[in-house]
Amino acid sequence: NAGVTQTPKFRVLKTGQSMTLLCAQDMNHEYMYWYRQDPGMGLRLIHYSVGEGTTAKGEVPDGYNVSRLKKQNFLLGLESAAPSQTSVYFCASRKGAGETGELFFGEGSRLTVL
Amino acid sequence: RKEVEQDPGPFNVPEGATVAFNCTYSNSASQSFFWYRQDCRKEPKLLMSVYSSGNEDGRFTAQLNRASQYISLLIRDSKLSDSATYLCVVTVSGGYNKLIFGAGTRLAVHP
Repeated sequence: NAGVTQTPKFRVLKTGQSMTLLCAQDMNHEYMYWYRQDPGMGLRLIHYSVGEGTTAKGEVPDGYNVSRLKKQNFLLGLESAAPSQTSVYFCASRKGAGETGELFFGEGSRLTVL
Repeated sequence: RKEVEQDPGPFNVPEGATVAFNCTYSNSASQSFFWYRQDCRKEPKLLMSVYSSGNEDGRFTAQLNRASQYISLLIRDSKLSDSATYLCVVTVSGGYNKLIFGAGTRLAVHP
């Protein structure tokens, strides 16, 4: 029962470096999301995708890019990491846009930017 | 004003206590409501949906008050294993059925 898998789980970057977080889901879900979680802020949506080949901006997209070349994968890229991007990143997937709000989350990726 | 607001807590309660959390939302067009649970350093997981008529799942009861724009979660007979952060989630109609998360309420149940 893999569900949603994120890699890597932990990463330390220096300011200006780039990196990619990979999210993979094996539930054939249409919708995929990238959130970041910071203390006292709750989860904030970075980017999302409603299907293969489509992406859109969420609440806090600046400094991030995404791609969804395959239905099961959703990649989050940091072009030039900044200390403000130190956070816990969660990927989530959802079957579709119906009334159910059940998101299935990955275990999170803890990123520190020095 | 945040779209979804919760008391951050922490709520420190003894085992067996009854505890209630409230969550207020600002968008009157909100459609669906949920409570998620998040354990320390873990991912959020769906606890229960919140229906207009209210719903119960064992020791957990969720209520929705559309007129006052708040939802509540009641936990009876608290267990140590209930210690976690409880996230209020609201969906708003839109291109992708936008989900908005509250910052969470932390519960600590002690012996």
